Amino acid sequence: SQTIHQWPATLVQPVGSPLSLECTVEGTSNPNLYWYRQAAGRGLQLLFYSVGIGQISSEVPQNLSASRPQDRQFILSSKKLLLSDSGFYLCAWTLRDNTGELFFGEGSRLTVL
Amino acid sequence: QKEVEQNSGPLSVPEGAIASLNCTYSDRGSQSFFWYRQYSGKSPELIMSIYSNGDKEDGRFTAQLNKASQYVSLLIRDSQPSDSATYLCAVNAYYNTDKLIFGTGTRLQVFP
Repeated sequence: SQTIHQWPATLVQPVGSPLSLECTVEGTSNPNLYWYRQAAGRGLQLLFYSVGIGQISSEVPQNLSASRPQDRQFILSSKKLLLSDSGFYLCAWTLRDNTGELFFGEGSRLTVL
Repeated sequence: QKEVEQNSGPLSVPEGAIASLNCTYSDRGSQSFFWYRQYSGKSPELIMSIYSNGDKEDGRFTAQLNKASQYVSLLIRDSQPSDSATYLCAVNAYYNTDKLIFGTGTRLQVFP
């Protein structure tokens, strides 16, 4: 069966510091991968998605970036965090089977102070 | 107009009752529809997917889709306190089927 892991689960970072969140999927090949953010009391906002190694689509202009160095690895980064970057970051994956079913990792809660 | 709209709630129902959650979407070309359950502080969990008009049942859950009215709903029968969560409706973007657009969710409270 497929599983998805992301880490760290929780982090508190000062404004201006860098960020790296990592996500890996096991038990499948060539998935679509996604990064979503959920701010307090708000809906899920799609940040980036990837249909293959090195292929990244950005949905929202911001100081975040994403990379996919391996088929089942997706990384979210920032060089300098802003207060507004605080939120619950969720990595997700789909199979390319036309069902569109999206499965989420456990999430990473980021607080920028 | 938001692409996927849900009433934020809270929707309060007594234990054992039917909870009815509703969602409307704006893009007629959307083909895939999903309901996710999200407990406080946790990530969303897929509970139902529906692709054709009509009803789809899975245990205590029934998803209903009406593409003509651009409306999808989720019924939870015999509601339990453990069903208390936020329910997110998601619809695939007609212009890019690799993307899901989420509503802001409806908070359901089931009281004993």
